[in-house]
Amino acid sequence: RKEVEQDPGPFNVPEGATVAFNCTYSNSASQSFFWYRQDCRKEPKLLMSVYSSGNEDGRFTAQLNRASQYISLLIRDSKLSDSATYLCVVTLGDYKLSFGAGTTVTVRA
Amino acid sequence: ETGVTQTPRHLVMGMTNKKSLKCEQHLGHNAMYWYKQSAKKPLELMFVYNFKEQTENNSVPSRFSPECPNSSHLFLHLHTLQPEDSALYLCASSQDTSGRRGEQFFGPGTRLTVL
Repeated sequence: RKEVEQDPGPFNVPEGATVAFNCTYSNSASQSFFWYRQDCRKEPKLLMSVYSSGNEDGRFTAQLNRASQYISLLIRDSKLSDSATYLCVVTLGDYKLSFGAGTTVTVRA
Repeated sequence: ETGVTQTPRHLVMGMTNKKSLKCEQHLGHNAMYWYKQSAKKPLELMFVYNFKEQTENNSVPSRFSPECPNSSHLFLHLHTLQPEDSALYLCASSQDTSGRRGEQFFGPGTRLTVL
C-alpha cells in the first residue's frame, strides 16, 4: 500500500468554480500534513500546512480527518493561475516528507 | 541569487559517462536534500545532509554519489547510469532536519536523460 495516495485527476473546472480533492495516508502515526503546489515543469512549493482544526488561506481550505486518515483541499472561486499539480505531503514529524503523486487541476476560461 | 539554484537544468548522458549535478542554496539553511521525481510518481527522497553530515541514504544505488562540502553546496555525482535513472532530480533545503514547519525549498531541478 502506498504511503500517500491521491486521485491523479485531472480535475477540469471553469473559472470561478469550486474544486475539492482528497488524499489518504497509510501511517496512523503521521503527525504533520501539508499541501505543496507544483506548476508544470517547475519545482514544488509549500502551499499550506494542514491543522487538525482545519484552516483557510484565502480561497484555499484544508481539512484533516485523522480517524479516516485523509486530508482535503478545497479551492473556491478558481482562477486560471490555480492550474497546477497539488501534492499531498505527510510526515512523522521529522524531515522525511512522504509525497503523493499529485492531483492535477486545470482551470479553463 | 536567492533561493535554491541547480545546474545544469538539462543533462543528456550515455550510460558510460560521468557527470555531476550541482545545487546551491542562498537561504542560510543547514539541511539539504536530493530527490528523484519520475513521471506520474511521487518524489523519492535519496539523500539528506544536515550540517554537512549525511544523515540519510535511502537505499540509493552506488552509481549515485552525493557530496556536501559545506552547508550551502550539494553535489550528486553520476556514473554508469541506466536508462531508468532518467528523471527530474530536485535539490531542496530547510532550516534544519527537525521538520517542525515541514517546509522545504526546492530548486528548479535537473532533467536528466540517460541514453
